[in-house]
Amino acid sequence: DTAVSQTPKYLVTQMGNDKSIKCEQNLGHDTMYWYKQDSKKFLKIMFSYNNKELIINETVPNRFSPKSPDKAHLNLHINSLELGDSAVYFCASSPDTLPAHGYTFGSGTRLTVV
Amino acid sequence: GQQLNQSPQSMFIQEGEDVSMNCTSSSIFNTWLWYKQEPGEGPVLLIALYKAGELTSNGRLTAQFGITRKDSFLNISASIPSDVGIYFCAGLTSGTYKYIFGTGTRLKVLA
Repeated sequence: DTAVSQTPKYLVTQMGNDKSIKCEQNLGHDTMYWYKQDSKKFLKIMFSYNNKELIINETVPNRFSPKSPDKAHLNLHINSLELGDSAVYFCASSPDTLPAHGYTFGSGTRLTVV
Repeated sequence: GQQLNQSPQSMFIQEGEDVSMNCTSSSIFNTWLWYKQEPGEGPVLLIALYKAGELTSNGRLTAQFGITRKDSFLNISASIPSDVGIYFCAGLTSGTYKYIFGTGTRLKVLA
């Protein structure tokens, strides 16, 4: 069983479309995250949820909306996709809000906007 | 904002060689992590450091928490082809709930 699983692995879509990426963790962790990795491989946090509650919301366009139906799931919905949204999006989880032992990452979703 | 600079940016080495890389910042960190990312995968945690001066090993990997708390170092001994990947440091400051990731060191090992 994969600890943190994301779907889809690859997503190619046209500008202006709306798309969602799903994430599920089976580790029993309380906190989940979305990270964006750009073409230079730089990793930047976007959002963090603890037990369904938003705790970190970085400066991200409001076209990006995370949703956590329960503490094991954190989905990312993106409206009106733009070329600059092309990146790899990683979901991650940690046991609690203060991630002293780091995160467990999923294998990523490569989003390509054409 | 805070930034973690990793050096070198990339390195090509021969199998069997030792590797050293570092991560520096102008800010003080309470926790340092080292991750490895392979192509098509997410980063995987290698080593965690919690105290200034701490030296921790994981097999052929050894990492150190710098005395100034503004830097960290990772060494890989006797490199093998499967060490190929991007190595990231990540730092956590007091009172925050998020790690800042470094710019990454890309390692290629020539057999």
